[in-house]
Amino acid sequence: DAKTTQPPSMDCAEGRAANLPCNHSTISGNEYVYWYRQIHSQGPQYIIHGLKNNETNEMASLIITEDRKSSTLILPHATLRDTAVYYCIVRSSGAQKLVFGQGTRLTINP
Amino acid sequence: NAGVTQTPKFRVLKTGQSMTLLCAQDMNHEYMYWYRQDPGMGLRLIHYSVGEGTTAKGEVPDGYNVSRLKKQNFLLGLESAAPSQTSVYFCASSLLMMNTEAFFGQGTRLTVV
Repeated sequence: DAKTTQPPSMDCAEGRAANLPCNHSTISGNEYVYWYRQIHSQGPQYIIHGLKNNETNEMASLIITEDRKSSTLILPHATLRDTAVYYCIVRSSGAQKLVFGQGTRLTINP
Repeated sequence: NAGVTQTPKFRVLKTGQSMTLLCAQDMNHEYMYWYRQDPGMGLRLIHYSVGEGTTAKGEVPDGYNVSRLKKQNFLLGLESAAPSQTSVYFCASSLLMMNTEAFFGQGTRLTVV
């Protein structure tokens, strides 16, 4: 699976959109981009995933660049409860392993 | 549905003792995973299983053994605990089908003294 690069930390004001970038320049054609988050010491929680097209669900939006070398997770109206570590993972459709990187620690400030 | 349940939630061991962590899922998932997470770090994959009776090594398998005798259970064993194994352990499961999410348990906080 391709390697991902994320900033170690970010801050965002409550009520604003939080945009979390992820670089995956070596991604291959059958690899999907997944986002998980981990709030405090809880188990990670799935947020969203996509292949080529932009995706949106009740939690977030995922924007993937046309060349698929990077993506952005958008939390449209961040709340204090969105403070967490966000992990971007690239994984092929047939992959057995699920490997996490270091993630981005997002802090939502009041 | 309970989802993914880890037992126990907390445990203190003395160096050299053994123990087994249990992960149970009620979603009929084929894939199961064990991770450890040390303070300020991401999750590291210890072992995983792609089906009943199968196991495979992850990134940091040394000092651990696993078994998947039943599809719903994935056991992580420490034969001789060491202080370096002090960590929070997370279990996860997912379907075999492509592009599905993984579900995580709430973690087991293990301290080896």
